[in-house]
Amino acid sequence: DAGITQSPRYKITETGRQVTLMCHQTWSHSYMFWYRQDLGHGLRLIYYSAAADITDKGEVPDGYVVSRSKTENFPLTLESATRSQTSVYFCASSEKGYSTDTQYFGPGTRLTVL
Amino acid sequence: QKEVEQDPGPLSVPEGAIVSLNCTYSNSAFQYFMWYRQYSRKGPELLMYTYSSGNKEDGRFTAQVDKSSKYISLFIRDSQPSDSATYLCAMRRRGADGLTFGKGTHLIIQP
Repeated sequence: DAGITQSPRYKITETGRQVTLMCHQTWSHSYMFWYRQDLGHGLRLIYYSAAADITDKGEVPDGYVVSRSKTENFPLTLESATRSQTSVYFCASSEKGYSTDTQYFGPGTRLTVL
Repeated sequence: QKEVEQDPGPLSVPEGAIVSLNCTYSNSAFQYFMWYRQYSRKGPELLMYTYSSGNKEDGRFTAQVDKSSKYISLFIRDSQPSDSATYLCAMRRRGADGLTFGKGTHLIIQP
């Protein structure tokens, strides 16, 4: 089914472990985004990508690494997870990144760091 | 002061009522304004998008932007229990790639 998918949907890990969250879209959208959603903060941009091999930092990039070797995939890696990274992570995509483009969100990954 | 302020609620109203949801912002560079709806344990979905001051209507939903006051609103007419969700306002600067979100307002429509 076409759209934007995230995996896993739920993940529990321990402090210090590496975790990778996957995002896949079937629309061939140029732009992809990672946001985190926390109570009291709303959604905040972590990283985004304008195209394959082009990435840039958002508002809260520390502790995260991204890559984009293929247009359809945009994985987010927590190299050494911390409790403060417990959150719900949303991936989004938009067609071209124009100011009027809609960002379409995936279903989210709920991450707990113990 | 956060760039975008939104009352988290919860806001509880009876079915059929008119609902008013609001956000204020401090950065006049925001030029594009959106309302997203988010059901529990789901991703946000776009409801309304506007980039000029004034009103935009889509079915039971009306988005209103007042750039001079840095204030945006979403009105829901004839509210239904299925409208119960969290409503997120979002804004974008011209040329910027990401969105800046409010915290979201949790809306409950009582049958």
